Amino acid sequence: GENVEQHPSTLSVQEGDSAVIKCTYSDSASNYFPWYKQELGKGPQLIIDIRSNVGEKKDQRIAVTLNKTAKHFSLHITETQPEDSAVYFCAASKKGTYKYIFGTGTRLKVLA
Amino acid sequence: DTAVSQTPKYLVTQMGNDKSIKCEQNLGHDTMYWYKQDSKKFLKIMFSYNNKELIINETVPNRFSPKSPDKAHLNLHINSLELGDSAVYFCASSVHGVDTEAFFGQGTRLTVV
Repeated sequence: GENVEQHPSTLSVQEGDSAVIKCTYSDSASNYFPWYKQELGKGPQLIIDIRSNVGEKKDQRIAVTLNKTAKHFSLHITETQPEDSAVYFCAASKKGTYKYIFGTGTRLKVLA
Repeated sequence: DTAVSQTPKYLVTQMGNDKSIKCEQNLGHDTMYWYKQDSKKFLKIMFSYNNKELIINETVPNRFSPKSPDKAHLNLHINSLELGDSAVYFCASSVHGVDTEAFFGQGTRLTVV
């Protein structure tokens, strides 16, 4: 069945450094790839998304890249701040399936 | 105004009991979901509804019965609760299907003792 792998499971960076989280999906027909941030005790919140017809998207300190051929997509956070500390999830979905398939999550710790 | 609201936020109950979790969205979305998040934080789809109709039942035990009285509500009833049902349950909604962002509720932490 559909599967999304996410690495690393934990990531610690110094404040101001960059963080990169990588995901691989199995279904080549997937066409929408959101990234969610989950803070303690809260529900996941979208931080950025990308569609299959786009290779890269940026929003201030956050960027996402998509390689459809390799079925990889990555989240890049630059100039990390302590408030970026959270669990991050990638997901993939395919039109008509009515489900988002989530990666296993990455716990990001930004050390002050 | 909360976009997707779930009640209760916490639920502690004994094995064998029956409990319900309510979910309401005020976004006018067509599609609603229930996801289960286990102790390892893994998010797994349970059910998807579109315009009050069940679209996906992802091999969930039939002790779990979702009900959508209208497009804005998707409730989850669980019969004969088991220890393994302990998890955080998230309700979510999206405009129509999975082409766009899903908005998640705050979650319901269910603990079965």
